[in-house]
Amino acid sequence: DSGVTQTPKHLITATGQRVTLRCSPRSGDLSVYWYQQSLDQGLQFLIHYYNGEERAKGNILERFSAQQFPDLHSELNLSSLELGDSALYFCASSASRDTEKLFFGSGTQLSVL
Amino acid sequence: TQLLEQSPQFLSIQEGENLTVYCNSSSVFSSLQWYRQEPGEGPVLLVTVVTGGEVKKLKRLTFQFGDARKDSSLHITAAQPGDTGLYLCAGVWPLGTDKLIFGTGTRLQVFP
Repeated sequence: DSGVTQTPKHLITATGQRVTLRCSPRSGDLSVYWYQQSLDQGLQFLIHYYNGEERAKGNILERFSAQQFPDLHSELNLSSLELGDSALYFCASSASRDTEKLFFGSGTQLSVL
Repeated sequence: TQLLEQSPQFLSIQEGENLTVYCNSSSVFSSLQWYRQEPGEGPVLLVTVVTGGEVKKLKRLTFQFGDARKDSSLHITAAQPGDTGLYLCAGVWPLGTDKLIFGTGTRLQVFP
C-alpha cells in the first residue's frame, strides 16, 4: 500500500459527460502528480501541483483541469469526454517539490462508451 | 516519438534465465529512475541512478547509468515469476522542471 488513495477505482460513463477523479496523497506529502496511462501512449504526464500551486503542465487537454485543495487532496476534472479518453488515470505524491521519489495510487480506470 | 525509448517492448522468458532491459534517449538526463508496475497497481520506484557510469544492485537486479547520462539498463539475474510486470524508466525533462516523464515500457513475463 503506497498510502495514496484514488477514488473511484472504476468509472464508466458516456461520451460528452464530465467526471471528477479524486486523489488523497500520502500523509505529509505536498506534491501531487497526475498521469494518464493508455496502451498506445504509455504513461503520460498531465500536471503537477505543489502545496496548492500548479508547478508543471504536460500535454493536458483543455477539456481537462485539476486543482489541489488546502487539505492537499487533488481532483482531476475531465469534461466533454471522448472515446479516446478511456484510460487509467494515476495520481502520485511526493514529499518535496522535486521528483525524487513518487508514490503512486492504484489508479482510476475510466471507460468512455 | 518518445524521449525515453525502451527495448525490448515485450519479453517472455523461463524462470532462471537472465535478461537485460534498455532505456535510451538522445538527450542528457540528470538522473534516471526505474519503476515496476504490476497489473492493477501503480508503478513502484525500484532505484534512482544519478552519476554517469553508476552501477546499483538491488538483490538480483543490476541498474547502470550510461557514462553520457543518455541511457540506462536493467539486468535481472535468474528471473523469477515474481519479477513479472511492466518495467518503466523515467527522468525529469526538460532539465530543471518538475516534469517526470516515463519511457515506453518493457513488459516482462517470467514463466515457472
